[in-house]
Amino acid sequence: AQKITQTQPGMFVQEKEAVTLDCTYDTSDQSYGLFWYKQPSSGEMIFLIYQGSYDEQNATEGRYSLNFQKARKSANLVISASQLGDSAMYFCAMRERSGGSYIPTFGRGTSLIVHP
Amino acid sequence: DTGVSQNPRHKITKRGQNVTFRCDPISEHNRLYWYRQTLGQGPEFLTYFQNEAQLEKSRLLSDRFSAERPKGSFSTLEIQRTEQGDSAMYLCASSLASQTRADTQYFGPGTRLTVL
Repeated sequence: AQKITQTQPGMFVQEKEAVTLDCTYDTSDQSYGLFWYKQPSSGEMIFLIYQGSYDEQNATEGRYSLNFQKARKSANLVISASQLGDSAMYFCAMRERSGGSYIPTFGRGTSLIVHP
Repeated sequence: DTGVSQNPRHKITKRGQNVTFRCDPISEHNRLYWYRQTLGQGPEFLTYFQNEAQLEKSRLLSDRFSAERPKGSFSTLEIQRTEQGDSAMYLCASSLASQTRADTQYFGPGTRLTVL
């Protein structure tokens, strides 16, 4: 079974509007972390935002916020006031314990295109 | 530049040859990760080190792959007897593991391997 599911292969948004990128996860651990990364066409993965499983408040970083619904096992990324430079691939990832180590798992990504 | 660096950025080799990639992490980071990313997929975890100890290896890491981090600083990933299926982007990431931080991984620009 997929540990990270991103159901939207591609999303389109008008500049200055908000967009939500979906992510659901599967784990039996109580302690885990959820991350979102951006990968522009240049290829480098850029860290955007982190949410810990015990964090009660949704994480926010500037225009990025994470809509964390623990019972539904979802961690959607909300980008407010989209900019042309937001066009990129977006990956959701989870870090969970495997034995004594933390193993990260990435989803397949969502391609976001921001239209002027 | 104090980010994660990887060399070379591109490598073209013939099937059956050996290749070695290098990753220099952010200087104070004690964890170092290797990933493989193919077109249309998210990064797939290969292995990680805490200081010089290799703590986890994915089943994706066949016997032809070996990674080292001899002094707990830079790391090398070697692929022996390359196959066409090894063609991919190889990403390195580093993080600072602690009890209170999110263990956020910061990625390098990657090494793109093409096996002819």
